[in-house]
Amino acid sequence: DSGVTQTPKHLITATGQRVTLRCSPRSGDLSVYWYQQSLDQGLQFLIHYYNGEERAKGNILERFSAQQFPDLHSELNLSSLELGDSALYFCASSVGTSGIGTQYFGPGTRLTVL
Amino acid sequence: GESVGLHLPTLSVQEGDNSIINCAYSNSASDYFIWYKQESGKGPQFIIDIRSNMDKRQGQRVTVLLNKTVKHLSLQIAATQPGDSAVYFCAENPSGGTSYGKLTFGQGTILTVHP
Repeated sequence: DSGVTQTPKHLITATGQRVTLRCSPRSGDLSVYWYQQSLDQGLQFLIHYYNGEERAKGNILERFSAQQFPDLHSELNLSSLELGDSALYFCASSVGTSGIGTQYFGPGTRLTVL
Repeated sequence: GESVGLHLPTLSVQEGDNSIINCAYSNSASDYFIWYKQESGKGPQFIIDIRSNMDKRQGQRVTVLLNKTVKHLSLQIAATQPGDSAVYFCAENPSGGTSYGKLTFGQGTILTVHP
């Protein structure tokens, strides 16, 4: 158990819908990262927040957005869902902001878009 | 239509053998590298890391080697056990600026350990 929690574990929804994935980092970690893992793209970095502020963006679609709240939990919002958004979404956390240092991954949310 | 998945390299070994998993990275500016293990249905789990100012780092039963000249990373697992069966990913973290925290993962290697 990494100490990072993600909810829900599974999510099944329809195209065009909007969903919110939630992540709670390890106690004491200020950084939260979101990744997408799909069969054809592998594990891809989406976005990094540190203490409530966005620090780095990867290939995140405009339909996707994220935020980190004062209690440090984070939410990833996916809207206008398409079939191709079906994937595993992982959250990771680390102590600092530099990215140097272990990122601890949560168990993931499996999103299925029908 | 049918989606095309990544065709991951595979490595099959017998229990007790040593395993070597290789990874080529792309960014010569990367200064920090990590190996992760991902078991089925779980998130990636940190194994070992190495900074670019080092060539070798050892952990418990694992050793990471870094060759910056050819941009190559390897993970050696000694006395491989069935519990080591998983997908192994290397990841690189470019230095500086907005690349902070932005890990770039390799495609992964499937390790299967036979009893």
